[in-house]
Amino acid sequence: DQQVKQNSPSLSVQEGRISILNCDYTNSMFDYFLWYKKYPAEGPTFLISISSIKDKNEDGRFTVFLNKSAKHLSLHIVPSQPGDSAVYFCAARGNAGNMLTFGGGTRLMVKP
Amino acid sequence: SAVISQKPSRDICQRGTSLTIQCQVDSQVTMMFWYRQQPGQSLTLIATANQGSEATYESGFVIDKFPISRPNLTFSTLTVSNMSPEDSSIYLCSSGTGGAYGYTFGSGTRLTVV
Repeated sequence: DQQVKQNSPSLSVQEGRISILNCDYTNSMFDYFLWYKKYPAEGPTFLISISSIKDKNEDGRFTVFLNKSAKHLSLHIVPSQPGDSAVYFCAARGNAGNMLTFGGGTRLMVKP
Repeated sequence: SAVISQKPSRDICQRGTSLTIQCQVDSQVTMMFWYRQQPGQSLTLIATANQGSEATYESGFVIDKFPISRPNLTFSTLTVSNMSPEDSSIYLCSSGTGGAYGYTFGSGTRLTVV
């Protein structure tokens, strides 16, 4: 039972355009949602999070939107840069235990 | 946020042997987590390690196969025991206290069992 899903395994965008990465979840008890970026041979790096009581959080080029009724969140990167090319993981924190449940990841390729 | 040093970064091991992975955090943290990322897969939680208590294992993971130590608030080890090729994965440790600030990960250990 996958509680967090990223249905797009890959995404390719042109430099300067917007990248939109999507994530769906099934457990309404998650209290925080997080996005991580992962380069090969490195651990995941925290990007941005959003509380379940918010619908938007913005940090520089990164904005996360949460639609609780649809159990859907998205990460917008604008403008996209070649250095953004990596695997992006959506994760959700349960309100009992602090552990994270990860989605399958989306490989983003930003073309110069 | 905390910085985690994880080692070894990679290893190639013979089947039937064991490997111990170490994680050192630069500050005291209550909870540490161990994850596995199998090839082409997402991160799966193996166990949660609190200092002073037994680790809590997720479904499908057992202490005999993945014993964990947590001797103090800055250090933890995960041992992969009696390895088989199916254990070939990236193993990651993580720590954190709050969702708003995320959780920090070590750089990972890429294990290949031959």
